[in-house]
Amino acid sequence: AQKVTQAQTEISVVEKEDVTLDCVYETRDTTYYLFWYKQPPSGELVFLIRRNSFDEQNEISGRYSWNFQKSTSSFNFTITASQVVDSAVYFCALSEAATGTYKYIFGTGTRLKVLA
Amino acid sequence: EAQVTQNPRYLITVTGKKLTVTCSQNMNHEYMSWYRQDPGLGLRQIYYSMNVEVTDKGDVPEGYKVSRKEKRNFPLILESPSPNQTSLYFCASTKTARPSNEQFFGPGTRLTVL
Repeated sequence: AQKVTQAQTEISVVEKEDVTLDCVYETRDTTYYLFWYKQPPSGELVFLIRRNSFDEQNEISGRYSWNFQKSTSSFNFTITASQVVDSAVYFCALSEAATGTYKYIFGTGTRLKVLA
Repeated sequence: EAQVTQNPRYLITVTGKKLTVTCSQNMNHEYMSWYRQDPGLGLRQIYYSMNVEVTDKGDVPEGYKVSRKEKRNFPLILESPSPNQTSLYFCASTKTARPSNEQFFGPGTRLTVL
């Protein structure tokens, strides 16, 4: 069965520190997709990144980077030089389409607090 | 402006009083979905729809109904709400019915059932 685990419930860092948010997933399918979404204090959900199961290249976008490792079933998210505006709840999600229909499975989220 | 809208944004109701939360998207998206967000549980999918007249259960469908008569609308119906359905609800849509698509979320509906 699909499962996404975000073991870190809440993380607090001081501004300019680097922080890594962990995401571990379970799936029986060979074709699947992983996502990260951000939910700032205002409440909306914002898409950050998508990665498919065949692409293990790491990705960097400004201060954000993502490390996908199939060997450990992990898709971790690192924020370099964190800023107060990074304070949010971050969700990792998984989707697969083994049967022609598909569902999204979200992790329980990690609340990041960046202190000035 | 491309968007997903939900109404109402806030609702306080009483046990057993039927209610509908509307969801509409103006992007001609095929796939639509409802989630509930609860502390410590993250986002859980209630129902989803691959296209018009095609709906299926997510992980927590009990106590909810949906319909997809038009491509743009995907209402969530609580026939007899109970206090354990107090939650923050999000509607979402994706361009096509493929698992590779990112979801566009509505602003959320905060429901309290007394």
